[in-house]
Amino acid sequence: DVKVTQSSRYLVKRTGEKVFLECVQDMDHENMFWYRQDPGLGLRLIYFSYDVKMKEKGDIPEGYSVSREKKERFSLILESASTNQTSMYLCASSSGGQGGGYTFGSGTRLTVV
Amino acid sequence: AQSVTQPDIHITVSEGASLELRCNYSYGATPYLFWYVQSPGQGLQLLLKYFSGDTLVQGIKGFEAEFKRSQSSFNLRKASVHWSDAAEYFCAVGPGFGNEKLTFGTGTRLTIIP
Repeated sequence: DVKVTQSSRYLVKRTGEKVFLECVQDMDHENMFWYRQDPGLGLRLIYFSYDVKMKEKGDIPEGYSVSREKKERFSLILESASTNQTSMYLCASSSGGQGGGYTFGSGTRLTVV
Repeated sequence: AQSVTQPDIHITVSEGASLELRCNYSYGATPYLFWYVQSPGQGLQLLLKYFSGDTLVQGIKGFEAEFKRSQSSFNLRKASVHWSDAAEYFCAVGPGFGNEKLTFGTGTRLTIIP
């Protein structure tokens, strides 16, 4: 069964820490995405990538960076975590081509204290 | 810019009743439209998608959706809901081919009562 795997389901970090959220897909997809999900706001795009070593800013990139050194792995980095980054983070991948839609990971619920 | 509106934040229906979840979109060209479902604590699962052709599309779990260009709508329906359908539902729109960036609505939470 094809899948997108996020390394942690729950994380608790302290303010100011550097945080890494990892996402791995086994479908050989070109496109990968990071969203955050907050009640009443739906899903908001943070960063995305269409190829290795390529990244594009989404709608809310401030306070985040990403890394894509290999096709299957897309990492989200919080350089200095803040309490307003407490959220559910969802990784997704897609194959490109004629709009197959996303495959999502199970999400990482991050709490910054 | 593309956008999606799901006007209903929360809907409650009885088990066995029919269901319709509303979705309105704004997009400058022919849209690619999707419905996703999210069970508590989980990621999102694709229910169905529309690209072109027949405006009534069938999805998994007995769901269907109808694309109405004149109303800029893509409403999700199910004839008879089951308790397991309780979840949050997201509509999304995107440009489709060559650029997969999707814009999501804020979601509709569905509660099923016995």
